[in-house]
Amino acid sequence: GEDVEQSLFLSVREGDSSVINCTYTDSSSTYLYWYKQEPGAGLQLLTYIFSNMDMKQDQRLTVLLNKKDKHLSLRIADTQTGDSAIYFCAVVVSGGYNKLIFGAGTRLAVHP
Amino acid sequence: KAGVTQTPRYLIKTRGQQVTLSCSPISGHRSVSWYQQTPGQGLQFLFEYFSETQRNKGNFPGRFSGRQFSNSRSEMNVSTLELGDSALYLCASSLDTRTGIQYFGAGTRLSVL
Repeated sequence: GEDVEQSLFLSVREGDSSVINCTYTDSSSTYLYWYKQEPGAGLQLLTYIFSNMDMKQDQRLTVLLNKKDKHLSLRIADTQTGDSAIYFCAVVVSGGYNKLIFGAGTRLAVHP
Repeated sequence: KAGVTQTPRYLIKTRGQQVTLSCSPISGHRSVSWYQQTPGQGLQFLFEYFSETQRNKGNFPGRFSGRQFSNSRSEMNVSTLELGDSALYLCASSLDTRTGIQYFGAGTRLSVL
């Protein structure tokens, strides 16, 4: 079945850029998402990208998609302490309507 | 526009009991999906309802069930609770079935003692 993998932890200095990486196995995945989860909260949709795109920029967020390598990345520019959270990569299963397959999540720690 | 609302936010039950969780989707959204989040297994898909019909189901035992009402509100039920059912249960609603863009509620944290 579909599998999504992420590194588990990333530590950055405030003001630096953060890059969170994700790989997936289903080459037919058409929609790919990034969600953010803060402690005790649900999932907040950050951004998404369609498989016919290579890049999407939304304010401080940049998503890059390499379909050949099945690699997705999220870059956060000028990372702030408020960006400290767990970031989940998710893909829609081909033919699975709204069934999302999530990675394990990357915990981003921002230090002064 | 109100977001996805889940009630209750917290629940404490004992083994063997049953529990019902509720989810009110964003107005106009007809698809409701449920996910279980645990430290060990991460986020796992339970099932999805669209127009009162279960359209997709994850790999969970039959103790987990759900339904959707005509106003798109959804409930999920877990019978004969086990300790391993302790988790954060997240509900998500979606307007567009093509993109699958789902908006999540704050979740219901279930503790089974």
